[in-house]
Amino acid sequence: DTGVSQNPRHKITKRGQNVTFRCDPISEHNRLYWYRQTLGQGPEFLTYFQNEAQLEKSRLLSDRFSAERPKGSFSTLEIQRTEQGDSAMYLCASSRAPGDSPLHFGNGTRLTVT
Amino acid sequence: AQKITQTQPGMFVQEKEAVTLDCTYDTSDPSYGLFWYKQPSSGEMIFLIYQGSYDQQNATEGRYSLNFQKARKSANLVISASQLGDSAMYFCAMRELESGGYNKLIFGAGTRLAVHP
Repeated sequence: DTGVSQNPRHKITKRGQNVTFRCDPISEHNRLYWYRQTLGQGPEFLTYFQNEAQLEKSRLLSDRFSAERPKGSFSTLEIQRTEQGDSAMYLCASSRAPGDSPLHFGNGTRLTVT
Repeated sequence: AQKITQTQPGMFVQEKEAVTLDCTYDTSDPSYGLFWYKQPSSGEMIFLIYQGSYDQQNATEGRYSLNFQKARKSANLVISASQLGDSAMYFCAMRELESGGYNKLIFGAGTRLAVHP
């Protein structure tokens, strides 16, 4: 169990640029989640994958956001035409089958849009 | 709609003392799960403890215990024998077990705990 890995840890970009984040979940976990956390708040759900299928997207995920999990392993989150309001910590988590299985989170990617 | 409320923005505790972090929740579903996570300054969310709505006994994990009062809709975290390394943000979260069979968690705003020597 090597834990959930996210890259990069930090990303600074100019408004209008596109950014892509990567998440490698724990290998035997087939469920993968993306959350966003702004300063002083708890994480907010963005989207969920079961294997390669994206099964739910939050209303927070505007059409500038797209997430993929092409082979049911790693996932990418892309933000197009970034805005200053996109500045946040983006957290990835994975879990086993449902029930009382906890989410295991990565260290997150902190995005700063200037 | 589901909601998690953590009314304590910040808490202080002396090293080796016990501390209680408050969490209340609101849901109309009879089946749900409650989680506590710790977030140190490094940013990683660390799972601490879980309580299912049908569990008869309060959950315990080492120095962590969950004071679950279902009628009051509260799920307070108790940390015994506080250590300096316990200084962090603590988040209470809830999952409704009917939510498509996956763990979509709703988080509270968190409580910042500072442990003093």
